[in-house]
Amino acid sequence: SQTIHQWPATLVQPVGSPLSLECTVEGTSNPNLYWYRQAAGRGLQLLFYSVGIGQISSEVPQNLSASRPQDRQFILSSKKLLLSDSGFYLCAWSPRAGEQYFGPGTRLTVT
Amino acid sequence: RKEVEQDPGPFNVPEGATVAFNCTYSNSASQSFFWYRQDCRKEPKLLMSVYSSGNEDGRFTAQLNRASQYISLLIRDSKLSDSATYLCVVIPGGADGLTFGKGTHLIIQP
Repeated sequence: SQTIHQWPATLVQPVGSPLSLECTVEGTSNPNLYWYRQAAGRGLQLLFYSVGIGQISSEVPQNLSASRPQDRQFILSSKKLLLSDSGFYLCAWSPRAGEQYFGPGTRLTVT
Repeated sequence: RKEVEQDPGPFNVPEGATVAFNCTYSNSASQSFFWYRQDCRKEPKLLMSVYSSGNEDGRFTAQLNRASQYISLLIRDSKLSDSATYLCVVIPGGADGLTFGKGTHLIIQP
């Protein structure tokens, strides 16, 4: 069966510091991968998606970036965090349109 | 008009009651629809797809009304464990991405 991992589970970072969140998927190959952010009181916002190694599509312009160095690895990064980057970051994979399977998420607080 | 709208609630419902809520969408070309459930501070999980003819999974029934552009979720004989936020998801026609609603918060009270 497929499983999706994210780490860390929680993170507190000062404004201006860098960020690296990692997501890995097991049990499937060449999955479509997604990064979402859910801010307090707001809905899920799609940040990036990837259909393959090195292929990244950005949905919202911001100070975040994503990379897919390996088939089942998806990384979300920032060089300098802003207060507004606080939120619940979720990685997901999708076997078919509409079906998203989420990782446990990383709760980021920027102070 | 927002792409996908949901009444945020909370809906406070006694255990055993039937509850229903809707999700409206603006893109008439939308092709696929889903309901997700999200427990507090957890990741969303796929609850069910919404088929054109409507579908049922145990106590849960999902329906699509294309003419009025909304989907609905009905929960019968509600349980305490049904307390969660229910997110609707719409796929716009021809696009790869999903659009999530902000969710409806449901509280089942004993």
